Amino acid sequence: QSALTQPASVSGSPGQSITISCTGTSSDVGSYNLVSWYQQHPGKAPKLMIYEGSKRPSGVSNRFSGSKSGNTASLTISGLQAEDEADYYCCSYAGSSTWVFGGGTKVTVL
Amino acid sequence: QLQLQESGPGLVKSSETLSLTCTVSGGSISSSSYYWGWIRQPPGKGLEWIGSIYYSGSTYYNPSLKSRVTISVDTSKNQFSLNLSSVTAADTAVYYCARISLATGNFDYWGQGTLVTVSS
Repeated sequence: QSALTQPASVSGSPGQSITISCTGTSSDVGSYNLVSWYQQHPGKAPKLMIYEGSKRPSGVSNRFSGSKSGNTASLTISGLQAEDEADYYCCSYAGSSTWVFGGGTKVTVL
Repeated sequence: QLQLQESGPGLVKSSETLSLTCTVSGGSISSSSYYWGWIRQPPGKGLEWIGSIYYSGSTYYNPSLKSRVTISVDTSKNQFSLNLSSVTAADTAVYYCARISLATGNFDYWGQGTLVTVSS
């Protein structure tokens, strides 16, 4: 069970759109539509932003969207705002009641 | 509103056993719709799923930690616990407990996390 692969950092200017990729294998991301994304501000617990690949929990801004193609999932943040600056983690169900997280991506708002 | 709270020693000696408890309030740990899990985050690093438990006591562990991890549940106290044996400095991390939705496979409620430092 290896960690999912995410870029270490992504940056963008206010108002722009950015996309974070999350690459797994045919044993996790590719096999299940159970990818979730979490936002984590410094010193805080992670917060669920996207689940089942593309669904948003109540209260999460519609500027956040998710998708998946093959073994790669993606999180897009549209209309980037200063408050979006945080670490983002993807997570996938990996079968047999196990889960695997990505290494995390630091989003910087320029 | 569901709340989870981790508790336990913040300092553990190398080679000893790390023990943490997560207390769930505002909801029942005996719900058939959820697992309850532990996740850790070493300083400056990413998240790692440690393991999960169902209210019935069924457990599921990260293969990389399986030999050292035990997770248990006490439904009468609405708590679940983590034991990690033979700890080293590499086990120094913030440890989070969380609820896992069986239907959607996500971690929807998290505790605030507790830092555990392993000292030599």
